[in-house]
Amino acid sequence: QSVLTQPPSASGTPGQRVTISCSGSRSNIGLNTVNWYQQLPGTAPKLLIYSSNQRPSGVPDRFSGSKSGTSASLAISGLQSEDEADYYCAAWDDSLNGGVFGGGTKLTVL
Amino acid sequence: EVHLVESGGGLAQPGGSLRLSCAASGFTFNKYAMSWVRQAPGKGLEWVSTVSGSSDPTYYADSVKGRFTISRDNSKSTLYLQMNSLRAEDTAVYFCAKNRMGDNWGQGTLVTVSS
Repeated sequence: QSVLTQPPSASGTPGQRVTISCSGSRSNIGLNTVNWYQQLPGTAPKLLIYSSNQRPSGVPDRFSGSKSGTSASLAISGLQSEDEADYYCAAWDDSLNGGVFGGGTKLTVL
Repeated sequence: EVHLVESGGGLAQPGGSLRLSCAASGFTFNKYAMSWVRQAPGKGLEWVSTVSGSSDPTYYADSVKGRFTISRDNSKSTLYLQMNSLRAEDTAVYFCAKNRMGDNWGQGTLVTVSS
């Protein structure tokens, strides 16, 4: 059971907007920023969002992140077939003195 | 460009040991914390350990505390993970990552613990 809670699956049709939620607690999301990762099958995770709402260079602006209290969310607009992947949220946890990940959300583009 | 290359994975027996390495390039290695994150077959990501840029402090997941040791050699821009008393549940792809929660990742190295 993961410290951060994500829905196991999400889906949308091309062009649609989808959001993936990530729920935590004060010691992790409440006190620290959130990263979001995209993982395509058989590959290493790729950083999509850092500091809760910042995009690394090269990440399309279709991807956006937000944080409120002890929850965070990733939004993907203009959904494309190549967005079909697993998505993970992550944060540092000050109580555990370590990193914590969500269980991952498998995004299907219908 | 940041480049992280893991090595040292393979087959180990329960109770055995392995040492993973991660060669880093493309950034000032000693200025960044480095981490290990693992992914068991068909499962999600699990943070394993983090070491600061100066080698102290270090942090470990409860699941590996007392069995794994993270270290780094800043003169060689290399990160290590010494894994002792290996268990079947340590079977996973091990990724090294730049920073506490990983802004750049290596391609991973597979560790299989089985008799």
